[in-house]
Amino acid sequence: DIQMTQSPSSLSASVGDRVTITCRASQGISNSLAWYQQQPGKAPRLLVYGASSLQSGVPSRFSGSGSGTDYTLTISSLQPEDFATYYCQHYSGTLIFTFGPGTKVDIK
Amino acid sequence: EVQLVQSGAEVKKPGESLKISCKGSGYRFTAYWIAWVRQMPGKGLEWMGTIYPGDSDTRYCPSFQGQVTISVDNSISTAYLQWSSLKASDTAMYYCARQGGSGTLDYWGQGTLVTVSS
Repeated sequence: DIQMTQSPSSLSASVGDRVTITCRASQGISNSLAWYQQQPGKAPRLLVYGASSLQSGVPSRFSGSGSGTDYTLTISSLQPEDFATYYCQHYSGTLIFTFGPGTKVDIK
Repeated sequence: EVQLVQSGAEVKKPGESLKISCKGSGYRFTAYWIAWVRQMPGKGLEWMGTIYPGDSDTRYCPSFQGQVTISVDNSISTAYLQWSSLKASDTAMYYCARQGGSGTLDYWGQGTLVTVSS
């Protein structure tokens, strides 16, 4: 089974900061990776799919990159509404979904 | 507009049965897989299983196989998650989500909070 890890598990940042979150798979996953944002008390929201494609309606300050086993989500200029928990997720062709443990972004 | 609307919060006792629902609208319900995701209090997201309403093909995460049952009723565009005998450890928020064309979960329900306590 493919395992997903994220780092850091939490971070503190200020509005306007550039933030990078890393996700690592236990084996190559061929860009079958998505990123989700979960604000407190809300359902998750898809941000990025295919490792680097921005979901419709997602602000352009979010971007995804990576290949093989290592992937990143970058927020170019953190906004107040971006304080949330971020999850990476691998999705396989056999319809197996594996989430990372999450990265909580809070206010410094 | 694509929407997934879940049934309301539930409070149950250990050993009781439960069936929660997820009603899809704004798209062809039978053409997209529906997944269920668990979030225990203060914890992360766990994929439980996925069903294709078109033919009821269902896949379960091994951790949840035999613990829950996923089903659909296409006549009312609704997916279900059910337990035959709840445990306190089933206390969690449960989300349904549509699997979109990219293979990812592109639309989510608002969540159903299930509390199991004696």
